[in-house]
Amino acid sequence: GENVEQHPSTLSVQEGDSAVIKCTYSDSASNYFPWYKQELGKGPQLIIDIRSNVGEKKDQRIAVTLNKTAKHFSLHITETQPEDSAVYFCAALSQAGTALIFGKGTTLSVSS
Amino acid sequence: NAGVTQTPKFQVLKTGQSMTLQCAQDMNHEYMSWYRQDPGMGLRLIHYSVGAGITDQGEVPNGYNVSRSTTEDFPLRLLSAAPSQTSVYFCASSYFSSPVGEQFFGPGTRLTVL
Repeated sequence: GENVEQHPSTLSVQEGDSAVIKCTYSDSASNYFPWYKQELGKGPQLIIDIRSNVGEKKDQRIAVTLNKTAKHFSLHITETQPEDSAVYFCAALSQAGTALIFGKGTTLSVSS
Repeated sequence: NAGVTQTPKFQVLKTGQSMTLQCAQDMNHEYMSWYRQDPGMGLRLIHYSVGAGITDQGEVPNGYNVSRSTTEDFPLRLLSAAPSQTSVYFCASSYFSSPVGEQFFGPGTRLTVL
């Protein structure tokens, strides 16, 4: 079945450093890849997304890159701050276009 | 707008009991979905709906039923609760009839089955 692998499962960085989270997907027909951030005790919230006709997208300190040939995409957070500490989920749209397949999540800890 | 609301926030059930988790949105969104979140397992799709009157199964539908009689409401029914259904349940909605674009998640329901 369709699958999304996410690495690493935990990531600890110092404030001001960069953080990178990587995901690979199995279905070459996937054409939409969002990233969600989940703070403790809350529901996930979309932070950035990318479609398959774009290789990179930036929004202030966060960026997402997509390599369709290799079927992987990555989240880059620069100048990390303590409030970036959260669980981050990547996802890929199913071939039918009716469901998101989520990775297992990365717990990011930013220490000051 | 209240966004996506879920009730109850917490629930404890005994094995074999049934219950309904409520989900409502006031944004006139077409797409609604239910996920369960377990430690180390990410978010897994239980059921989804692309519009009123239309529902379909996700990745882990067994033991759950849904209905979508109105655009606003998407209740999740546990038919006969089992300890394996202990989890945090999230309802989400998005404007279009697919999860493309922002999905708005509710605050979650933490369910424990004894």
